[in-house]
Amino acid sequence: DTAVSQTPKYLVTQMGNDKSIKCEQNLGHDTMYWYKQDSKKFLKIMFSYNNKELIINETVPNRFSPKSPDKAHLNLHINSLELGDSAVYFCASSPRQGREAFFGQGTRLTVV
Amino acid sequence: GDSVTQMEGPVTLSEEAFLTINCTYTATGYPSLFWYVQYPGEGLQLLLKATKADDKGSNKGFEATYRKETTSFHLEKGSVQVSDSAVYFCALSDSSEGNKLVFGAGTILRVKS
Repeated sequence: DTAVSQTPKYLVTQMGNDKSIKCEQNLGHDTMYWYKQDSKKFLKIMFSYNNKELIINETVPNRFSPKSPDKAHLNLHINSLELGDSAVYFCASSPRQGREAFFGQGTRLTVV
Repeated sequence: GDSVTQMEGPVTLSEEAFLTINCTYTATGYPSLFWYVQYPGEGLQLLLKATKADDKGSNKGFEATYRKETTSFHLEKGSVQVSDSAVYFCALSDSSEGNKLVFGAGTILRVKS
């Protein structure tokens, strides 16, 4: 009965590969996010969706493409992975924009 | 754009010591303010929040007061425990900046027994 779940929890892959991270929330929230946490724990928003519509798209390389098939899911696809993409990626959701966010457990991506 | 500044860590305390983690912000509009906690290997959990000036958020012995005049939201706890060891993030959400959550850099807290 996890509120925000992401898969996989760990992902190790080679440079140049394409990979996806999946996120699902069962809270009935309208808004979902992707955040990137670097090795120094700094958190930066990447994308925000509200009712499947892209609301925020920060300065992120276009190798990163979010997809929201429905309000409860927000997946992240990454093409041509680079070493600098290694980080922990967090999915989150909130009842609506501006309210507190609920975070998933994170996906630790390591590009070798 | 909006920003959040937290005191640098790590902060190392003995059990039962008093904790303060400073947080100040700059915002275009009138933001909501949050403290999140991240335990090792886990995602972020909301610790407390405040949505308007002079509101005090509190949870699990932690508290923070929204001070508009000093643009601050300092986190305090009267007596820390080893189990409080974690990374603490101050954050804001501002409707004039698309309501995205903007985080501070995080402060590592280590509590020794």
